[in-house]
Amino acid sequence: DTGVSQDPRHKITKRGQNVTFRCDPISEHNRLYWYRQTLGQGPEFLTYFQNEAQLEKSRLLSNRFSAERPKGSFSTLEIQRTEQGDSAMYLCASSLFEFTTGELFFGEGSRLTVL
Amino acid sequence: GEDVEQSLFLSVREGDSSVINCTYTDSSSTYLYWYKQEPGAGLQLLTYIFSNMDMKQDQRLTVLLNKKDKHLSLRIADTQTGDSAIYFCAESTWAGNMLTFGGGTRLMVKP
Repeated sequence: DTGVSQDPRHKITKRGQNVTFRCDPISEHNRLYWYRQTLGQGPEFLTYFQNEAQLEKSRLLSNRFSAERPKGSFSTLEIQRTEQGDSAMYLCASSLFEFTTGELFFGEGSRLTVL
Repeated sequence: GEDVEQSLFLSVREGDSSVINCTYTDSSSTYLYWYKQEPGAGLQLLTYIFSNMDMKQDQRLTVLLNKKDKHLSLRIADTQTGDSAIYFCAESTWAGNMLTFGGGTRLMVKP
């Protein structure tokens, strides 16, 4: 499978715990995006990388959220001290940065449930 | 900030045409997209249109853009049960920039 893969697909945690999600983009894609989707809503942009550089992080929901892409390949999204309001689907997408359509290729998401 | 609005739900009969509407507020939107989300699957790009176009046709899909009114529509001809999904409108100011999505329109196709 050469699509975007995310792990884990579902995470259940207790409030106050830290969680980390991993995203493996399509191998030749240099851009990687994180979105959050809550029930009945569209995806909400969080942050994105071009290679290893994080180009936009002002949309991260709070300072409890952080993302890395250390070698410009896979990325991790960490949420510290989780709250019930963090329960959502976390989507990763990748793209090849060229002046084309800007199409994003999405993974199937990591669903977080905070008890 | 940017805002993208869609109606929540649309129900059509198999074989009919479906029209899903979207409005956006950002006048600098350059790229407008329609994504499809099926249960348990990632979002998939259906089609896109540049802001200097009024219409784009791609097989059963027709996208209409009224830039003056900031209104985008997706018409699906000969709608099939396999078209049942959630359809998201999205905009960006340039290719590769972050997308702003609408809340999605759930399309139900009845046999």
